[in-house]
Amino acid sequence: DSGVTQTPKHLITATGQRVTLRCSPRSGDLSVYWYQQSLDQGLQFLIHYYNGEERAKGNILERFSAQQFPDLHSELNLSSLELGDSALYFCASSDETSGGLSDEQFFGPGTRLTVL
Amino acid sequence: AQKITQTQPGMFVQEKEAVTLDCTYDTSDQSYGLFWYKQPSSGEMIFLIYQGSYDEQNATEGRYSLNFQKARKSANLVISASQLGDSAMYFCAMRGFQKLVFGTGTRLLVSP
Repeated sequence: DSGVTQTPKHLITATGQRVTLRCSPRSGDLSVYWYQQSLDQGLQFLIHYYNGEERAKGNILERFSAQQFPDLHSELNLSSLELGDSALYFCASSDETSGGLSDEQFFGPGTRLTVL
Repeated sequence: AQKITQTQPGMFVQEKEAVTLDCTYDTSDQSYGLFWYKQPSSGEMIFLIYQGSYDEQNATEGRYSLNFQKARKSANLVISASQLGDSAMYFCAMRGFQKLVFGTGTRLLVSP
């Protein structure tokens, strides 16, 4: 158990819908990262938040957005869903105390999104 | 841009034998970190081992060791004494600015 929690574990929805994925980082970790794992794209970085502020964006679609709240939990919002958005979405957290390079990212169990 | 290449889509090994999973990387950064993660069929990502670009010694964590050859830009994972529970996908990753860049992974199957 990494200490990172993600809800829901599974989500099945229809094209055009909107969903919200939730992540609670490990106690004390200020950084939250979101990744998407799909069969065709592999593991892709989406976005990084640190203590409530967006720090970096990766291959995140405009239909997707995220935020990190004062209690440090984070939500990833996916809208106007398409079949190709079906994937495993991971949240990872890190304490970033050693300056970045060696900071291990602890991954949550993931949310498996299926768009029908 | 950073890139991780894992050229072995699948590897087979017998229980109790050692196996090496290949990873090469490309970066223009002087400082970087290299990670290996294991993803069992249940889906979670499990951290295995870390190597810093300035570390002179190869990293070891129990049965896992990282064969780091900086000049060749390779960071191969060596699993000694394979166990049935080692069957999983293995991902090599590089820590770049604010994110991890992952390779495509190697599926390892350990047979009795």
